[in-house]
Amino acid sequence: GQNIDQPTEMTATEGAIVQINCTYQTSGFNGLFWYQQHAGEAPTFLSYNVLDGLEEKGRFSSFLSRSKGYSYLLLKELQMKDSASYLCAAMDSNYQLIWGAGTKLIIKP
Amino acid sequence: TAGITQAPTSQILAAGRSMTLRCTQDMRHNAMYWYRQDLGLGLRLIHYSNTAGTTGKGEVPDGYSVSRANTDDFPLTLASAVPSQTSVYFCASSSGGDNNEQFFGPGTRLTVL
Repeated sequence: GQNIDQPTEMTATEGAIVQINCTYQTSGFNGLFWYQQHAGEAPTFLSYNVLDGLEEKGRFSSFLSRSKGYSYLLLKELQMKDSASYLCAAMDSNYQLIWGAGTKLIIKP
Repeated sequence: TAGITQAPTSQILAAGRSMTLRCTQDMRHNAMYWYRQDLGLGLRLIHYSNTAGTTGKGEVPDGYSVSRANTDDFPLTLASAVPSQTSVYFCASSSGGDNNEQFFGPGTRLTVL
C-alpha cells in the first residue's frame, strides 16, 4: 500500500533550526512536496523535490533521497510565525498526491 | 487575483439532507481536486478531474459526486449527508504535468448533525 510517515508534533525554540522528517512508500514516484498549513487555513506550497539532493529556498530547505524513500524539511532561524503544521506529500505513478497526516511545529520564545 | 474560491465558508447540515459545495478557480488550471481533512489524518482525496468533462474517484469517494462542466467550476455534492461526513473540505487545482503543485481554496467547514 501507499504510506507517508512523519512525526505528529515537534517543538523548537525561536531562532533555532529544526528538521522535519518524512518517509514514503508509493506506487511509483514523481516527486515529493512540502506544504505549510496554519491553523484554520489552507495548505500553501513550500517545496518540490524530484531529484536527490538539497533544494534551498531562503530559510527553508528540502532534501530528498529516492533510494531511501526519505525526505526532510529544514527550517532555519525559526520565527514565531513558523508555528504551523507541515505536510509531506508524495506524488505517485498516477500523478496523485499521497499526503502525510502533518507535523505540528510549536515554536517557543 | 482571486485564485481559487469556495462557498460556503461553513455550514451546519441535518443528516439526510443534500448539499453542494462550490469551487471556482480563475487560473485556467486543467486539474481540480476535492479533499477532506480530518483531525489526525492526512488530506484524503475524494474526487478529481484532470480536465473539463472528465472526473475520477479518489481514496474516499462514497457518498460524494462531482461534475466538471467547464474549466473553472468543480462542485461537490453530498446526496444524503451523514454525520461521518463532518469535516473540512478543501478544493484544489493544478496546471497538471510533472510539477503538480496544487493551489488550495480556503476550505468549507461542514458539520452534519
